[in-house]
Amino acid sequence: DTGVSQDPRHKITKRGQNVTFRCDPISEHNRLYWYRQTLGQGPEFLTYFQNEAQLEKSRLLSNRFSAERPKGSFSTLEIQRTEQGDSAMYLCASSERTSGGAYNEQFFGPGTRLTVL
Amino acid sequence: GNSVTQMEGPVTLSEEAFLTINCTYTATGYPSLFWYVQYPGEGLQLLLKATKADDKGSNKGFEATYRKETTSFHLEKGSVQVSDSAVYFCAPNFGNEKLTFGTGTRLTIIP
Repeated sequence: DTGVSQDPRHKITKRGQNVTFRCDPISEHNRLYWYRQTLGQGPEFLTYFQNEAQLEKSRLLSNRFSAERPKGSFSTLEIQRTEQGDSAMYLCASSERTSGGAYNEQFFGPGTRLTVL
Repeated sequence: GNSVTQMEGPVTLSEEAFLTINCTYTATGYPSLFWYVQYPGEGLQLLLKATKADDKGSNKGFEATYRKETTSFHLEKGSVQVSDSAVYFCAPNFGNEKLTFGTGTRLTIIP
């Protein structure tokens, strides 16, 4: 198992451009999460999927943000018309929920660092 | 509402010193509690966890006890090493499927 992977690791873009990030979770993890981390802060929840269903979206996720997990495996996060305030580290995590409903740990990927010029 | 408050850093200690990083939470229920660590240049890793009152999580010499009466989950280590230098995050799961992270505490250990 290679862990959670994210691509790209770094992205520099100009304001107004669209960007898309990819996350590959640990195989067979049915839950996938996206978080955003700005400098000096803890990660903030954006959204999560159980299999292919997007079950919750944070108010932080404006209508310029969209996330998909079409086959219940990898996920993409797209930001349209990027703004300088979107500059952050975007983190992906995955977990598996036990049949007993316990909250298993979330395994994090290395993140995609976005810089909007 | 649900929230977490973590001791602000940065914290600088000498090697072999005792470490405490405070974490308290406010919750309407009984969250699961996690400490994550971020080493320089690496991703977030789970350090330890506790899922019910009086549970003690431990790993790599670190410990934290779930204290329901004080709604706390303080991280402790008896003798820190230079390799413990990292950013530490307290992160409750308030039962709504996502982690709520504290602001993080940057720890630097001096030889």
